Amino acid sequence: GAGVSQSPRYKVAKRGQDVALRCDPISGHVSLFWYQQALGQGPEFLTYFQNEAQLDKSGLPSDRFFAERPEGSVSTLKIQRTQQEDSAVYLCASSLVSGHSTDTQYFGPGTRLTVL
Amino acid sequence: AQKVTQAQTEISVVEKEDVTLDCVYETRDTTYYLFWYKQPPSGELVFLIRRNSFDEQNEISGRYSWNFQKSTSSFNFTITASQVVDSAVYFCALSGETGGGNKLTFGTGTQLKVEL
Repeated sequence: GAGVSQSPRYKVAKRGQDVALRCDPISGHVSLFWYQQALGQGPEFLTYFQNEAQLDKSGLPSDRFFAERPEGSVSTLKIQRTQQEDSAVYLCASSLVSGHSTDTQYFGPGTRLTVL
Repeated sequence: AQKVTQAQTEISVVEKEDVTLDCVYETRDTTYYLFWYKQPPSGELVFLIRRNSFDEQNEISGRYSWNFQKSTSSFNFTITASQVVDSAVYFCALSGETGGGNKLTFGTGTQLKVEL
């Protein structure tokens, strides 16, 4: 079956622009996660959804970052007024059941965001 | 707080050599899960293994094996008879009840280069 897909794969934005990154989780997966991966670093947690409910947004670095999953499937991560420090790869992951430490998260290919 | 340390930033080996990637973790949880992911140049994180804190049996899957030792808080990964296709960045990750029980805490990764 299809894995997690993300679009666009690459995004170049001018500083101050708004961007929207899309994630299509594995069909039927209840939980969805967003991570940010800076160059040469491991992914860092941003936010977590269980169906349409955003249960944890503790990792969002500022109020310029906003995520939604209105119908409990596709999710969008929006970054307003992008800054150079937002340049990173944004990874989406999904897991089958409700978020629990036992669940394996399956990752998409990521969106590489470059802010000029 | 949870923490994962991968002290080896980069390892270079010649094909057919065995190589061990180290992972040391910190957690106050009694129940937790450890993961290894592979990130090839394409960028997608590929799930390799998940272990829970109550199962210290070592595991072997083909050329891959994992050594989990709670006494030293380590979860090391060995590739036997390495191949060029093993070249990638490998991440160790931890999840537990602290911090929500669903987010993954990653190490900084080990870049493995396998040369002919």
